[in-house]
Amino acid sequence: SAVISQKPSRDICQRGTSLTIQCQVDSQVTMMFWYRQQPGQSLTLIATANQGSEATYESGFVIDKFPISRPNLTFSTLTVSNMSPEDSSIYLCSVVKQYEQYFGPGTRLTVT
Amino acid sequence: QQQVKQSPQSLIVQKGGISIINCAYENTAFDYFPWYQQFPGKGPALLIAIRPDVSEKKEGRFTISFNKSAKQFSLHIMDSQPGDSATYFCAAKGAGSYQLTFGKGTKLSVIP
Repeated sequence: SAVISQKPSRDICQRGTSLTIQCQVDSQVTMMFWYRQQPGQSLTLIATANQGSEATYESGFVIDKFPISRPNLTFSTLTVSNMSPEDSSIYLCSVVKQYEQYFGPGTRLTVT
Repeated sequence: QQQVKQSPQSLIVQKGGISIINCAYENTAFDYFPWYQQFPGKGPALLIAIRPDVSEKKEGRFTISFNKSAKQFSLHIMDSQPGDSATYFCAAKGAGSYQLTFGKGTKLSVIP
């Protein structure tokens, strides 16, 4: 399996500000994903972040709003920019290791 | 992405009973079907997974049944315990991809 940590675990932010979420994995992985989970809902893929290439965004998500960095094989960041209350969600990173997909503990974001 | 339909939305089972959660899919190109368990405030944890060349997979009290012709798969939790109370998500992965399509989730409550 993979041990994944995320920082911060939760935050309360003001409308119009930005928050950067960090994801750290205990081993090198090629494929990393960022998901959003709105309260009581399922998981929605935001983007795929592979090291050495630009992130690939899903329909409805754009780089200006959710810029992603992937500087190495164990680390990635997701920034939620110019936040509005609609961005209040749990943000999860996940990695593929030995064909299985594992999730981090999530970052619970509340925008006021 | 093709949809994965999950039912029921919520389920209440008595301790010691069998919990059954069903999923159906349409895309015949899906080649991997995992189930995730998520406790409140935690990220989804991989529980058990199956490939379409197998009709059943059992791990402890958890069993996946897979019906390829009907394009359906289900999770059975035997001898359900209060500690099994969580939200369960089925998912499906397309061939040649690591992206998962998730069902909407089932909130399971096991009552003493």
